[in-house]
Amino acid sequence: DIQMTQSPSSLSASVGDRVTITCRASQSISSYLNWYQHKPGKAPKVLIYDASSLQSGVPSRFSGSGSGTDFTLTISSLQPEDFATYYCQQSYSPPRTFGQGTKVEIK
Amino acid sequence: QVQLVQSGAEVKKPGASVKVSCKASGYTFTSYGISWVRQAPGQGLEWMGWISTYNGNTNYAQKLQGRVTLTTDTSTSTAYMELRSLRSDDTAVYYCARVIVTTTGDWFDPWGQGTLVTVSS
Repeated sequence: DIQMTQSPSSLSASVGDRVTITCRASQSISSYLNWYQHKPGKAPKVLIYDASSLQSGVPSRFSGSGSGTDFTLTISSLQPEDFATYYCQQSYSPPRTFGQGTKVEIK
Repeated sequence: QVQLVQSGAEVKKPGASVKVSCKASGYTFTSYGISWVRQAPGQGLEWMGWISTYNGNTNYAQKLQGRVTLTTDTSTSTAYMELRSLRSDDTAVYYCARVIVTTTGDWFDPWGQGTLVTVSS
């Protein structure tokens, strides 16, 4: 199975901050990488697919980059509604695997 | 709009089975597969398996092989996840998700609202 490792596991940030979350795959997955946002009591929501494509309806402050084994999710200016847990997920091979999550908290 | 609506919370005893439903609307059910993902308390997301709504083909996570069965009823646009021989560590919120597949990858969108399954004696 492909292991996905995110860093950091949690971070504290203020509204307006630029936030970067990293995801590393245990082997090359080309650009088969998705990012999800998950808020407590809600269904997860896809933000970025294929490493850098912004899902329709997702604010442009979210962006994704990377290929191979190293990927990044960036929030250019953190908004109050962005406090949540973020997961990366590979779609290169079965079983689909997720990172352990990065919890973004209010500073 | 595209929507997946799941059945309500369940409380089961160890060793029992649970069957969670996921009713799709707003799109052609047989055009997209369905995956199931669970989240145990305080834990991350764990992929459980996938079913083709077109022909019923399935793919399961190895750790759940033999205990989980995914099925669909195309007449009602509903997917089902059955988990048997329940243990306390199966306590989790279970999600269904539509699988979008393109030539460049696949992803889950949208997700159901989640179903809490509690396993307790």
